[in-house]
Amino acid sequence: GEDVEQSLFLSVREGDSSVINCTYTDSSSTYLYWYKQEPGAGLQLLTYIFSNMDMKQDQRLTVLLNKKDKHLSLRIADTQTGDSAIYFCAESDNDMRFGAGTRLTVKP
Amino acid sequence: SQTIHQWPATLVQPVGSPLSLECTVEGTSNPNLYWYRQAAGRGLQLLFYSVGIGQISSEVPQNLSASRPQDRQFILSSKKLLLSDSGFYLCAWSPGTGGYEQYFGPGTRLTVT
Repeated sequence: GEDVEQSLFLSVREGDSSVINCTYTDSSSTYLYWYKQEPGAGLQLLTYIFSNMDMKQDQRLTVLLNKKDKHLSLRIADTQTGDSAIYFCAESDNDMRFGAGTRLTVKP
Repeated sequence: SQTIHQWPATLVQPVGSPLSLECTVEGTSNPNLYWYRQAAGRGLQLLFYSVGIGQISSEVPQNLSASRPQDRQFILSSKKLLLSDSGFYLCAWSPGTGGYEQYFGPGTRLTVT
């Protein structure tokens, strides 16, 4: 079946850039998403990218897509303590599939 | 604007007791609705989805069931809870299938004792 994989943990210092990586296997993916989950809360859609794009920027967030390698990344510039959360990568064609999430810890 | 509600926010139930979790969506019509379970430190497991009233698809066999009595209401139920049913239950909606983004509710934390 199709898989979405992410590393489970990432730790950065406040002010540094964070890069969260994701790989997927479904070559027919139409959209790819990044969600943020804060403790005890639901998932918040951060951004998404259509599969025919290779980059999307939204304020401090930059999404890069390498469709050939099926690799998606989320870069957070000037990472703040409020960015500490679990970040989920997801991809969809007819169904949506989520990675297991990357727990980002931002140290002061 | 669209909003999605879940209740209760937290629930502690003994093994063998029944369960009913409710999800409602406002501000949209005929949404696709989803129930996910998130076990501690793990990703999301899709349990059920619905494309319309009375139309429920189950993704994994389990002692849970889902119902959609109204267009914007989605209910997750169990007749007898198991310890393994503990987890964080998330409801989500999307405007359609085929790649549409999903929007999540605040979740219900269920602890089965």
